[in-house]
Order: sequence, then C-alpha cells, then structure tokens
Amino acid sequence: NSKVIQTPRYLVKGQGQKAKMRCIPEKGHPVVFWYQQNKNNEFKFLINFQNQEVLQQIDMTEKRFSAECPSNSPCSLEIQSSEAGDSALYLCASSPANTEVFFGKGTRLTVV
Amino acid sequence: QQKVQQSPESLIVPEGAMTSLNCTFSDSASQYFAWYRQHSGKAPKALMSIFSNGEKEEGRFTIHLNKASLHFSLHIRDSQPSDSALYLCAASSGSWQLIFGSGTQLTVMP
Repeated sequence: NSKVIQTPRYLVKGQGQKAKMRCIPEKGHPVVFWYQQNKNNEFKFLINFQNQEVLQQIDMTEKRFSAECPSNSPCSLEIQSSEAGDSALYLCASSPANTEVFFGKGTRLTVV
Repeated sequence: QQKVQQSPESLIVPEGAMTSLNCTFSDSASQYFAWYRQHSGKAPKALMSIFSNGEKEEGRFTIHLNKASLHFSLHIRDSQPSDSALYLCAASSGSWQLIFGSGTQLTVMP
C-alpha cells in the first residue's frame, strides 16, 4: 500500500477562492509529482520536485498555482484563484528515482 | 516534449479473452516505460515496467517494448472481471518527469 498521504480528501471552493492541498511523500523518496486528473480521466502533469527544488512545471502551474516541498514539512499545491475548470482529482506521487511513482489517494477539488 | 498516446480509449472483452493495450511515445530518449492500473475511486498503482527492448512476463500480464517503433504494449492473458479498470501507460521524459497517456477503460464481462 502506498504511503503517500494526501489531505484533504475532498475540497469545495467557490470561484476565485484559494484552494490548498497537502501531500506527505513516502519516506526516503526525493522526487514528488503533482498531477491533475479530470473527469475524462486524463492525466496532466503539473509540477515535480527533487528534494525542495522545482524540476519542471507547466505554464498553468507557473501562473495560477503555487507549490512547494519544504524540508520537514508536507508538500503543498495551492490554486491562487480557483476556476470551474480546476475541478478535478489532484494526485500527489513520490518516487525513489526516475522510475516507479507511488500515488496518494488524491484530493478531489470541486469549484462551485 | 514527450507525448504519450494510448489506444483504444475503451475496450470490452469477455472473461477468458486475451486483452491487448497499446501505447506510443514520442521521445526516443525515454528510458522507463510502465503500465499503471486504476480501479474506480482508487489511486493508480504500478502494474509492470520495462527499461529495455523486449518482453517481460509476470503471471497473466506481459509488457512488450519496441523503442525503434516508439511503441509499448500490455497483454493480459485469460482476462478476469477483476481486471476491469482504467489502464494508464507512462513513459519517462528527462528531469524526472513521467508522462501518462489518457487511459484505456477496460471492462471484462463475466
């Protein structure tokens, strides 16, 4: 069973509100990913970290999202101003190397 | 930028059939290829992975990679209703990124 812990499991926000979700990666995994899975089950890579440093992120993440993975604290992903199109399942995953990733159960965000 | 595409989008097979799922990728420098399975309401979980050309078999599941044709596949022998799930293929792309396909929804009818 995956040891990646995501909170909260469900999040409901109004349009324009901030939405913040957290992730505790599996111990010893230096790489953390955030993905967005929409209602059509499509996976979109958002951002990844190696230790506390951002490795890569997409434009959307750069402009409207903020994410961090501080040492000794949970990683977090925050949408600055939620839009209806942000409603999705946000999956955090961690990896020991550039191989298998282990997913958390996700945070389901609904923007009303 | 790595692009990963899966086919078919959905598949219905009878119990006991052989199921074949396909995935193409665009980055010839990719080194890691995997299939993940996601049951409804659950997190995706790695099923099988491969690094080099050829085949790898684990029980009823076989993964096949052909880097020259930028293609890898998953074959499920003697498909079971419990195999019904969303199957996601993934290929690595520099900078520790794992790019997923959009998934194949498999339904195995009893």
